Amino acid sequence: GQNIDQPTEMTATEGAIVQINCTYQTSGFNGLFWYQQHAGEAPTFLSYNVLDGLEEKGRFSSFLSRSKGYSYLLLKELQMKDSASYLCASMDSNYQLIWGAGTKLIIKP
Amino acid sequence: GAVVSQHPSWVICKSGTSVKIECRSLDFQATTMFWYRQFPKQSLMLMATSNEGSKATYEQGVEKDKFLINHASLTLSTLTVTSAHPEDSSFYICSATSGGVTEAFFGQGTRLTVV
Repeated sequence: GQNIDQPTEMTATEGAIVQINCTYQTSGFNGLFWYQQHAGEAPTFLSYNVLDGLEEKGRFSSFLSRSKGYSYLLLKELQMKDSASYLCASMDSNYQLIWGAGTKLIIKP
Repeated sequence: GAVVSQHPSWVICKSGTSVKIECRSLDFQATTMFWYRQFPKQSLMLMATSNEGSKATYEQGVEKDKFLINHASLTLSTLTVTSAHPEDSSFYICSATSGGVTEAFFGQGTRLTVV
C-alpha cells in the first residue's frame, strides 16, 4: 500500500533549527513535495525533490534519499511565523500526490 | 508562480441545498484539477481528479452523485455539493497542474458550513 509517515507535532525555539522527517512508500515515485499550511489556509509550496541530495532555498532546505524512502525539511533561524503545519507528499507513478497527515510545528519564544 | 483562484472563500448554507465552488487557473492552462477535502487537524483527502473535457475520476468512498465535478475548460473546474448536510461541512481545496509542471498550485480553499 501507499503510506506517508511524519511526526504529528514538534516544538522548537525561535532562532533555532528544526528538522521534520518524512518516510514514504508509494507505487512508483515522481518526486517528493513539502508544503506549508497555516490554519484555515490552503497549502503553499515549499520544495520539490526528485533526485537524491539536499536542496537549499533560503532558510528552508529539503533532503531526499530515494533508496531509503526518506526526506526531511530543515528550517533554520526559526521565526514565530513559521508556526504552521508542514505537509510531506509523494508523487506516485500516476503523478498523483499522496499526502502525509502533516506535522504541526510550534515555535516558542 | 502560477495563480489558482477559488471562490467563494467561505459559504454557509442550509441543509438540503446545493453549493457550487469554482476553481480557476488565472495564468496557465490546467489540464488536470484535483479536489480535496480537509477536516480539522487532518491532512488533505483527495476526492476526485478531473481532466479537461472528460469525466472526473472519484476516489473510493466519494459519492459522485453528491459531489458533481465539471471541468469544461482549461481554466475552470467546479465542484457542486448537492443536497448538503452538516457532515459535509469541511474545508474544500482545489489544485491545478498543467502538462509540463510538476508542482500543484492550490486555490485559497472554501470553508463550507452546512447548518
